Amino acid sequence: NAGVTQTPKFQVLKTGQSMTLQCAQDMNHEYMSWYRQDPGMGLRLIHYSVGAGITDQGEVPNGYNVSRSTTEDFPLRLLSAAPSQTSVYFCASSYSGRSGELFFGEGSRLTVL
Amino acid sequence: AQKITQTQPGMFVQEKEAVTLDCTYDTSDPSYGLFWYKQPSSGEMIFLIYQGSYDQQNATEGRYSLNFQKARKSANLVISASQLGDSAMYFCAMRDFSGSARQLTFGSGTQLTVLP
Repeated sequence: NAGVTQTPKFQVLKTGQSMTLQCAQDMNHEYMSWYRQDPGMGLRLIHYSVGAGITDQGEVPNGYNVSRSTTEDFPLRLLSAAPSQTSVYFCASSYSGRSGELFFGEGSRLTVL
Repeated sequence: AQKITQTQPGMFVQEKEAVTLDCTYDTSDPSYGLFWYKQPSSGEMIFLIYQGSYDQQNATEGRYSLNFQKARKSANLVISASQLGDSAMYFCAMRDFSGSARQLTFGSGTQLTVLP
């Protein structure tokens, strides 16, 4: 029972480099999302998707790109990393019901030097 | 726009005592859901409890209960008989039911420390 799987768990980048955080879920959830967690600020929504082929911006989308070609996968791309993107990133999914809780991946700690 | 406020950055409680973690919210949508999550020091996010805005009774899950006061727009988490393993960060979150969006808006969290 894998649930939501994120890779990598840790990554160090230099300013200007690009990378992709992978996220996969095996629960057939329609909804997937990416959050970043910074000290004292809770979790802030970056991008989300309500189904394959459909994505939308959250609260802090700048500098990030997403796509949703399959129900299972929702990668997050950092186009040109900046120190301000140093954070812990969480991928989460839920079924389409209103009361459906988010199932979270274990998180990915990213440091941009 | 939705907003979640958790005014207690840190809380201490003695083992076996009850503790209340505060959460207030702001929304113009009459239909919404409220969630609480626990994040231990290991970092994973653990779902604890859910309350719908039209639910007649306060939600309970084992030692967790939600003190929902709709008129005051508050959804406080009550943990009874605290255990050392309850030491963690706790987040309140809300989902508006308007439209097709499913995103949760989170508060800034409360760090709970249970003292032996």
